[in-house]
Amino acid sequence: QVQLQESGPGLVQPSETLSLMCAVSGDSINNGNYYWAWIRQPPGKGLEWIGSVYYSGTTYYNPSLESRVTISIETSKDQFSLNMRSVTPADTAVFYCARKKWGSFDSWGQGTLVTVFS
Amino acid sequence: DIQMTQSPSSLSASVGDRVTITCRAGQTISNYLNWYQQRPGKAPTLMIYGASTLRSGVPSRFSGSGSGTDFSLTITSLQPEDFATYYCQQSYSTPYTFGLGTKLDIK
Repeated sequence: QVQLQESGPGLVQPSETLSLMCAVSGDSINNGNYYWAWIRQPPGKGLEWIGSVYYSGTTYYNPSLESRVTISIETSKDQFSLNMRSVTPADTAVFYCARKKWGSFDSWGQGTLVTVFS
Repeated sequence: DIQMTQSPSSLSASVGDRVTITCRAGQTISNYLNWYQQRPGKAPTLMIYGASTLRSGVPSRFSGSGSGTDFSLTITSLQPEDFATYYCQQSYSTPYTFGLGTKLDIK
């Protein structure tokens, strides 16, 4: 049973960079059957796909965020990460990492709330 | 981007009721449609993928149907643990997009 766990600061100042890590256990991130994704959910709102990464390093981003986002993968550590630059209070959200199989997100981390606040 | 429109946005029902939630895509997406359940304070969980395939372990009272642009999620004989928010998501093309959700609460 795969498990995903997000980690990172819960508070980020405006204009700074939000950095999160997702640790994967119970499955190898090198498994070519999956992509690994970041999804966010502002408080009380819906879900927004941020982007996905393959074990090879290939990435796909939401065009609405692409200019500010980098997703990378460290296969030797079974983890992948998210960097979001120049954040504003509108970026306050619960950030989830997830495993994507055949287009659906079949396993999720518990989520981590990141608040952009000075 | 493919817009996903869910209806209703909220729904009140009783234990034992049958409910249907609909999801409409802004363009045809074949059967690349997934349904998630999210309980308060928890991460979403995948319930149905490929429009109608029940994920292993999901109770058979859940079912999905549709193709093209119109889809539905039906729950027969609602149980207390089913009261949650449900989201549809298209996986036809990036950026993957979700509906705004349907909150199902107890009448």
